[in-house]
Amino acid sequence: QSVLTQPPSVSGAPGQRVSISCAGSSTNVGAGYDVHWYQQLPGTAPQLIIYDKNNRPSGVPDRFSASRSGTSASLAIIGLQAEDEAYYYCQSYDGSLPARFIFGSGTKLTVL
Amino acid sequence: QVHLVQSGAEVKMPGASVKVSCKASGYSFSDYYLYWVRQAPGQGLEWMGWINPKRGVTDWAQNFHGRVTLTWDTSISTAYMELNRLTSDDAAVYYCARQNGGSAYFDSWGQGTLISVSS
Repeated sequence: QSVLTQPPSVSGAPGQRVSISCAGSSTNVGAGYDVHWYQQLPGTAPQLIIYDKNNRPSGVPDRFSASRSGTSASLAIIGLQAEDEAYYYCQSYDGSLPARFIFGSGTKLTVL
Repeated sequence: QVHLVQSGAEVKMPGASVKVSCKASGYSFSDYYLYWVRQAPGQGLEWMGWINPKRGVTDWAQNFHGRVTLTWDTSISTAYMELNRLTSDDAAVYYCARQNGGSAYFDSWGQGTLISVSS
């Protein structure tokens, strides 16, 4: 079971805005550890799309952005495109013993 | 450009062992932590362990204690993950991933290695 909880699925029509939540706790997101986001297209490895506060690796469009508040974080995608259909995972660090990297449960984004 | 290239898919019998390799290029292999992460069919991501070639240390998740061995060969920039006493629950895609410097995220991933466990 994942320490970070995400909704199993979200959907939106092309051009719309969607948001994916990532709920943590006081030992990870709430403790101030950064939340990072990955996109996983079918049959491929996860790819980093947001890191640290709200930074995007080269090549990731600015339609992707992230935010956080308290023990939760969220990924927002505006101007939804068909190519955005994928699984999305949040990832952070948990300081409780044993300290470790943690992943979210994953969210399937469907573009209608 | 950073590349992580993993060994090919394998089919193993229950109780057997499997060894997956991850060859790094495009950066100084010793200077970065390298993690192993697995993904069971239709499931999320689970970290298994890591290596720090420069410090010569490794660690692994409690779930794999006693079953996983992480090694590396700096001369060929290659890391290895060996998992013993395989069960059907170990059927998954196994990834290696580079941790970005001092930050706690993974900036490069291998293509994944599918391990099937079947009698």
